[in-house]
Amino acid sequence: DSGVTQTPKHLITATGQRVTLRCSPRSGDLSVYWYQQSLDQGLQFLIQYYNGEERAKGNILERFSAQQFPDLHSELNLSSLELGDSALYFCASSVEQGRLGTYNEQFFGPGTRLTVL
Amino acid sequence: EDQVTQSPEALRLQEGESSSLNCSYTVSGLRGLFWYRQDPGKGPEFLFTLYSAGEEKEKERLKATLTKKESFLHITAPKPEDSATYLCAVQAYFSGGYNKLIFGAGTRLAVHP
Repeated sequence: DSGVTQTPKHLITATGQRVTLRCSPRSGDLSVYWYQQSLDQGLQFLIQYYNGEERAKGNILERFSAQQFPDLHSELNLSSLELGDSALYFCASSVEQGRLGTYNEQFFGPGTRLTVL
Repeated sequence: EDQVTQSPEALRLQEGESSSLNCSYTVSGLRGLFWYRQDPGKGPEFLFTLYSAGEEKEKERLKATLTKKESFLHITAPKPEDSATYLCAVQAYFSGGYNKLIFGAGTRLAVHP
């Protein structure tokens, strides 16, 4: 158990809908990262927050957004869902914010499996 | 472009048959390499951090090594419970003074009794 929690574990929804995925980082970690993992793409970095502020953006679609709250939990919002958005979504956390000169060991949660029908 | 390539894609071993997994990378300034283990439908589990070429880390039957262009994960006398996908990630410069992790596609290891 990494100490990172994610809810829900599974989510089934229809195209065009909007969903929210939730993540709580390990105690003491200030950085939260979101990743998407699909069979043909591997683990793709979406976005990072550090202590409530957006730190880095990866391959995140405009239909997707995220935020980190004062209690450090984070939510990933996915809207106008398409069939291709079906994937495992992972949250990871780390102590470091990822500045040059630091080593950014990230610890992953159990994931949310999203199925878009 | 920063890239991480893992080989082989899949590996089948008999219990006790040692082998190595490879992770090769091309990044502009390596700032650490990480190995993770991922079981089906679960989140990646952190195994090792390698900071610089020549470094080695060990954990039970696993040993990770790092050179300037690649890393190896050696599995000695594997057991069926070592079956999983092993992911390699390199820490590379992103932008604005920050790093990001770039993951390889992984090696699916199956160890049979």
